[in-house]
Amino acid sequence: KAGVTQTPRYLIKTRGQQVTLSCSPISGHRSVSWYQQTPGQGLQFLFEYFSETQRNKGNFPGRFSGRQFSNSRSEMNVSTLELGDSALYLCASSKDRATDTQYFGPGTRLTVL
Amino acid sequence: AQKITQTQPGMFVQEKEAVTLDCTYDTSDPSYGLFWYKQPSSGEMIFLIYQGSYDQQNATEGRYSLNFQKARKSANLVISASQLGDSAMYFCAMRFNSGTYKYIFGTGTRLKVLA
Repeated sequence: KAGVTQTPRYLIKTRGQQVTLSCSPISGHRSVSWYQQTPGQGLQFLFEYFSETQRNKGNFPGRFSGRQFSNSRSEMNVSTLELGDSALYLCASSKDRATDTQYFGPGTRLTVL
Repeated sequence: AQKITQTQPGMFVQEKEAVTLDCTYDTSDPSYGLFWYKQPSSGEMIFLIYQGSYDQQNATEGRYSLNFQKARKSANLVISASQLGDSAMYFCAMRFNSGTYKYIFGTGTRLKVLA
């Protein structure tokens, strides 16, 4: 069974640009969560989607948004990039919300110059 | 407040020895899940082991076991017979089984296995 895939794996952008990251969950998984990981702040929850609806949202500004498609694939978008957005963005999927384990993808490493 | 605490920023262990990574949590919810993940330098978070709050037995997965002490609110990870490939960051996480179903993560412990 294929794992969680994330594209692209690496990305370099400049301040003010926007970026879209993609996540394909494990087949049959309907919940997708996104996390931002930085050396200073650790692993921080961005948002969770389940059945195309945002179910949870972390404490991030509105520049961070996401969506989920009917095939459970998810995208997250960051507009007006700032230097502080440089991070590893991790996507995780699970079969359902309450009882299943989250499995993570390899991450997208975003560098903002 | 719901919180996960990992008090060991870094640990060293000799190859083939056992090591315990500490994790304490704080929640008033009766139903929750506890997880350990391994993050090698490549970045991917690898699921290791799971313990449910109602599970009577400590979880085991190969060389990994979870020492679950509910009254003390601790969920320590024990790695037996450490291998060089075990060198990585280890994160303890908790999932709430009601309401938001959110995960919260600890700050991690960096484990270095010495040859």
